[in-house]
Amino acid sequence: ETGVTQSPTHLIKTRGQQVTLRCSSQSGHNTVSWYQQALGQGPQFIFQYYREEENGRGNFPPRFSGLQFPNYSSELNVNALELDDSALYLCASSLAGPSGYTFGSGTRLTVV
Amino acid sequence: KQEVTQIPAALSVPEGENLVLNCSFTDSAIYNLQWFRQDPGKGLTSLLLIQSSQREQTSGRLNASLDKSSGRSTLYIAASQPGDSATYLCAVETNDYKLSFGAGTTVTVRA
Repeated sequence: ETGVTQSPTHLIKTRGQQVTLRCSSQSGHNTVSWYQQALGQGPQFIFQYYREEENGRGNFPPRFSGLQFPNYSSELNVNALELDDSALYLCASSLAGPSGYTFGSGTRLTVV
Repeated sequence: KQEVTQIPAALSVPEGENLVLNCSFTDSAIYNLQWFRQDPGKGLTSLLLIQSSQREQTSGRLNASLDKSSGRSTLYIAASQPGDSATYLCAVETNDYKLSFGAGTTVTVRA
């Protein structure tokens, strides 16, 4: 059973640029969620995808967008990067319904 | 809005001592509560999942209790080891399809 894998592990971008982060779900999981974790804080919910549709969204602006593919892998896209977007971005997969979440190792994004 | 608080923010204990980590949440309408471990700069490792109908879960040296009506959970780690040094996060899942996290308790176990 493979876990959740994220790529890349680290990324440095310039303010104003766009970035795409990728996530492969754990085998058998059909729901994927994205979280942003700033240094010293708990993760904050960005959004969740189920059957390729957005299934819930946190308090993040529209420049944060996502996709889920038929194989349940997912992308997080962030446009017009700001310095405050510097954080650890975590992907989590789960089965539909309250069944607990499996997280990946995260992508560390630094915006300069 | 669900608010999750973890106390204490940091804890330092000698090896062998038992650890008690506390988590409280404001809205008792939860599906489940999950405890995670996070090593510096790394992702989250799930430790225990407690469904809303359960009172506790155990795995090895770890035991977590849940009192949904009072909005509290406690994670007990018996006979701590230096390898237990990490940040421990609790998260509650609510009916809006998301996890709400506390800020974590950073544990240091001294050899």
